[in-house]
Amino acid sequence: GESVGLHLPTLSVQEGDNSIINCAYSNSASDYFIWYKQESGKGPQFIIDIRSNMDKRQGQRVTVLLNKTVKHLSLQIAATQPGDSAVYFCAETHSGNTPLVFGKGTRLSVIA
Amino acid sequence: KAGVTQTPRYLIKTRGQQVTLSCSPISGHRSVSWYQQTPGQGLQFLFEYFSETQRNKGNFPGRFSGRQFSNSRSEMNVSTLELGDSALYLCASSSQGTTGELFFGEGSRLTVL
Repeated sequence: GESVGLHLPTLSVQEGDNSIINCAYSNSASDYFIWYKQESGKGPQFIIDIRSNMDKRQGQRVTVLLNKTVKHLSLQIAATQPGDSAVYFCAETHSGNTPLVFGKGTRLSVIA
Repeated sequence: KAGVTQTPRYLIKTRGQQVTLSCSPISGHRSVSWYQQTPGQGLQFLFEYFSETQRNKGNFPGRFSGRQFSNSRSEMNVSTLELGDSALYLCASSSQGTTGELFFGEGSRLTVL
């Protein structure tokens, strides 16, 4: 597959455990945040989003937490599965149709 | 519903040549964004088109250009290729522009020799 990042931080997790991926965003004016998952050889895929008027949002097996005070975003994956192995990106933007700015990414490796 | 389609998937060029990449967005989506992805820089925004107009532009030299057609299909062109242009070029479409969910294609992998 294609390498999307040779020097990405890597998180190794045992199958069945919970994963927490962290992201520090840069712009205090950002009010919309998205987590994307990118598998080898594919484009990024939307996982979950959150707006700045919320501090937590849950999806299926995933939860995003937003701490605007310290400009921190996290993605929690419950009961991590081998299919969750991928690179995860946070992205931020603010109202007015400004471009999404992506973080550098974290590689999640699930150990079976 | 068909996803975002990018062509070609892989291509090899030499320095000084030019390249044109194509993107067909999801039906009904009027916004198309382009990103360059490299191991060192990650995902970098190139430009966004909405209803045939460039609405946002990233910090890339003028060698990088794009356009959007009336059917929302988009092309990007890179002229006078340099070795550093080797990258995965990703196209994403959206119904709401950049503040909504972006749907990405699988990318065009460009190698410049």
